Amino acid sequence: GIQVEQSPPDLILQEGANSTLRCNFSDSVNNLQWFHQNPWGQLINLFYIPSGTKQNGRLSATTVATERYSLLYISSSQTTDSGVYFCAVTGGTSYGKLTFGQGTILTVHP
Amino acid sequence: EAQVTQNPRYLITVTGKKLTVTCSQNMNHEYMSWYRQDPGLGLRQIYYSMNVEVTDKGDVPEGYKVSRKEKRNFPLILESPSPNQTSLYFCASSAVPPHTEAFFGQGTRLTVV
Repeated sequence: GIQVEQSPPDLILQEGANSTLRCNFSDSVNNLQWFHQNPWGQLINLFYIPSGTKQNGRLSATTVATERYSLLYISSSQTTDSGVYFCAVTGGTSYGKLTFGQGTILTVHP
Repeated sequence: EAQVTQNPRYLITVTGKKLTVTCSQNMNHEYMSWYRQDPGLGLRQIYYSMNVEVTDKGDVPEGYKVSRKEKRNFPLILESPSPNQTSLYFCASSAVPPHTEAFFGQGTRLTVV
């Protein structure tokens, strides 16, 4: 099946810093989503982005499907950005099943 | 508001006592699925349903049952829970795959003692 790798595994920032999270995938994808898992465990949809670039406030994402990677940019980070960021894809014969990366644990200090 | 609602959010139960985790969506989505999240193993699909009365196994179906009698509801049933089913469970829904966005419920933290 399709493999998803995220980097870095851990990231520690001071409030106000910028960061880039990366997601590499092993095959062509039909769907790519970024999620934020908050400290209460909830999975929050950030972007549905199988290709192209999107922006939502301080967050933006770019997927280059032909090169099999996606990037999530967080600008002017805030303590509330802390949590785990997941990239998830569907592709190949997986139909609607999302394959998740292992996540990036982001900690933002005040 | 478009949402996927799971209940309960937290549950502690004893080995062997049947339980049901409910999931309901209000987006008229055809596709629904259940995932479990475990440290070191990530999120894995348990079961999925492509429409009413159509269900199939995901990657880790052992010990679970599902049903899809109505489009909006997709309950997860543990007929005889065991401690290895202690996990964080998520229900998800989307329109007909593959080029569709998935939406997740709030999660259910289950502890089996």
